[in-house]
Amino acid sequence: ETGVTQSPTHLIKTRGQQVTLRCSSQSGHNTVSWYQQALGQGPQFIFQYYREEENGRGNFPPRFSGLQFPNYSSELNVNALELDDSALYLCASSFGGRRNIQYFGAGTRLSVL
Amino acid sequence: KQEVTQIPAALSVPEGENLVLNCSFTDSAIYNLQWFRQDPGKGLTSLLLIQSSQREQTSGRLNASLDKSSGRSTLYIAASQPGDSATYLCAVEETSGSRLTFGEGTQLTVNP
Repeated sequence: ETGVTQSPTHLIKTRGQQVTLRCSSQSGHNTVSWYQQALGQGPQFIFQYYREEENGRGNFPPRFSGLQFPNYSSELNVNALELDDSALYLCASSFGGRRNIQYFGAGTRLSVL
Repeated sequence: KQEVTQIPAALSVPEGENLVLNCSFTDSAIYNLQWFRQDPGKGLTSLLLIQSSQREQTSGRLNASLDKSSGRSTLYIAASQPGDSATYLCAVEETSGSRLTFGEGTQLTVNP
């Protein structure tokens, strides 16, 4: 158990819809990173939030957006869903913006039909 | 752009065998390298983190080494057990940013 919780565990959406995924950080952690993992692939970095500010972004379009709240929990929002957005979405929490172990949640499995 | 490669993509061994998983990366400007385990459909479990100034880390039957100058890391698993069956991922954290860059993983099966 890493203390990082994600909700929901599974989600089915149709193309064009919008989705919000949630992540609760491990106690004492102020940094949250989000990753997308397609089937059979390694996770790809989406973005990171440190103390409620975006602290780096991967090669994802603007329809992927995020928020970090004062309690350091976080949301990932995806607009205008596409079939290729089907994946396991992982969040990871850590203390400090870099150089520390990132602890991962169990993920949200998103299926876009 | 950092690229991480893991070899082999899949490995099947009998129980009790010692084995080595390989990870290579193209840019040596890293803070650390981390090895993870992932069970099917699950999240990632951190196994070992090696800081860029370190050469190796050990935890139980696992030993990870890092040669930053050559861009290589190995994960050694001693006396493998069926419960070790999982996908093993390596990831580097670069000095240029806060992201982890992952390889595609090695799928390990340990047969009883």
